[in-house]
Amino acid sequence: DAGVTQSPTHLIKTRGQQVTLRCSPKSGHDTVSWYQQALGQGPQFIFQYYEEEERQRGNFPDRFSGHQFPNYSSELNVNALLLGDSALYLCASSLVGTPTGAFFGQGTRLTVV
Amino acid sequence: TQLLEQSPQFLSIQEGENLTVYCNSSSVFSSLQWYRQEPGEGPVLLVTVVTGGEVKKLKRLTFQFGDARKDSSLHITAAQPGDTGLYLCAGAYSGNTGKLIFGQGTTLQVKP
Repeated sequence: DAGVTQSPTHLIKTRGQQVTLRCSPKSGHDTVSWYQQALGQGPQFIFQYYEEEERQRGNFPDRFSGHQFPNYSSELNVNALLLGDSALYLCASSLVGTPTGAFFGQGTRLTVV
Repeated sequence: TQLLEQSPQFLSIQEGENLTVYCNSSSVFSSLQWYRQEPGEGPVLLVTVVTGGEVKKLKRLTFQFGDARKDSSLHITAAQPGDTGLYLCAGAYSGNTGKLIFGQGTTLQVKP
């Protein structure tokens, strides 16, 4: 049973560029959430996708957008990258309506230079 | 505004010692999760608690959810070097745990 997989694992981008991160949820899960984790901090919720729609959003600007595909996989897009966007980006999957906890991928380490 | 406060933020102990990590909030959560994270990796789910007063045990780890579902604790008995890592608590406001509110984490170092 494959867990949550993210790609790529590491990425270096230049300020002002755009980036796309990808996530495949755990088998049987239908909800994907994205988090940003700065060094030494807990993850911060970006947004959640269910049934191919953004359902909830955290306090992140419109430069952060996403998409969910019919197979439940998801993408996170960040436009006009800033140095402060450098962080570990985590994808978590869960099954709607079940309080069993979310399962996280290994993350994508994004460095903006 | 930090909705979930974890304490302590850093803990360095000797192998064999016991420790407790606290997670406190003024908000009521429908469920609370504890995760362990190693450097460069994603958080790994340890436990989910959903009922006020609930106690769950995972080998040497004991998790408790407060009666009012606003706080939780993680107790480790006879800590081992393999317990070293970042411990995170996360609360969910609804049955769907997709949106989690995380504490800032507790970094635990267990010295041999």
